[in-house]
Amino acid sequence: AQKITQTQPGMFVQEKEAVTLDCTYDTSDPSYGLFWYKQPSSGEMIFLIYQGSYDQQNATEGRYSLNFQKARKSANLVISASQLGDSAMYFCAMREGSASKIIFGSGTRLSIRP
Amino acid sequence: DTAVSQTPKYLVTQMGNDKSIKCEQNLGHDTMYWYKQDSKKFLKIMFSYNNKELIINETVPNRFSPKSPDKAHLNLHINSLELGDSAVYFCASSLKGGSYEQYFGPGTRLTVT
Repeated sequence: AQKITQTQPGMFVQEKEAVTLDCTYDTSDPSYGLFWYKQPSSGEMIFLIYQGSYDQQNATEGRYSLNFQKARKSANLVISASQLGDSAMYFCAMREGSASKIIFGSGTRLSIRP
Repeated sequence: DTAVSQTPKYLVTQMGNDKSIKCEQNLGHDTMYWYKQDSKKFLKIMFSYNNKELIINETVPNRFSPKSPDKAHLNLHINSLELGDSAVYFCASSLKGGSYEQYFGPGTRLTVT
């Protein structure tokens, strides 16, 4: 079974609009962590944001915020005021328990239109 | 200064050859990883080392052998290369395992002809 599901293979958004990238996860471990990474066309993987399962508040990092809904097992990434440079692949990922292993979703390709 | 570096960036080779990819991190991290990203962009962990000790070994053909001479280096050696090995290989490191974010190298694009 898929542990991390990203249902949007691709998205187009107008510049300056906010965008939400969906991510749902599946785990029975009460302790887990959720990550979002960005992969621009140049290929590098860039860490964006982290949410721990016991964190009381949604994580935020600049224009990035993570909409964490534990009961729904969703961890959507919200990018406010999108910019052309936000065009990239975005990956949601999860760590279960204290394991070092991170499992990645299939990614969403985000394209920002000028 | 580059935090996680990999060499080479591109590697083109023929089936049956043996090749190595080197990875170094200067972040003082304890844990290092190798990932494979296929042509559909799917990213999957292959190996992880913590302080030179192998802690994750996914279902990877034994033609792939990681080696960690010290905690700042994690190399990947691949024997008898096959067409299906063509992919982008990423090295990553984290302060420790678990909740700490992983910092990725620039990737090595391996093409087997």
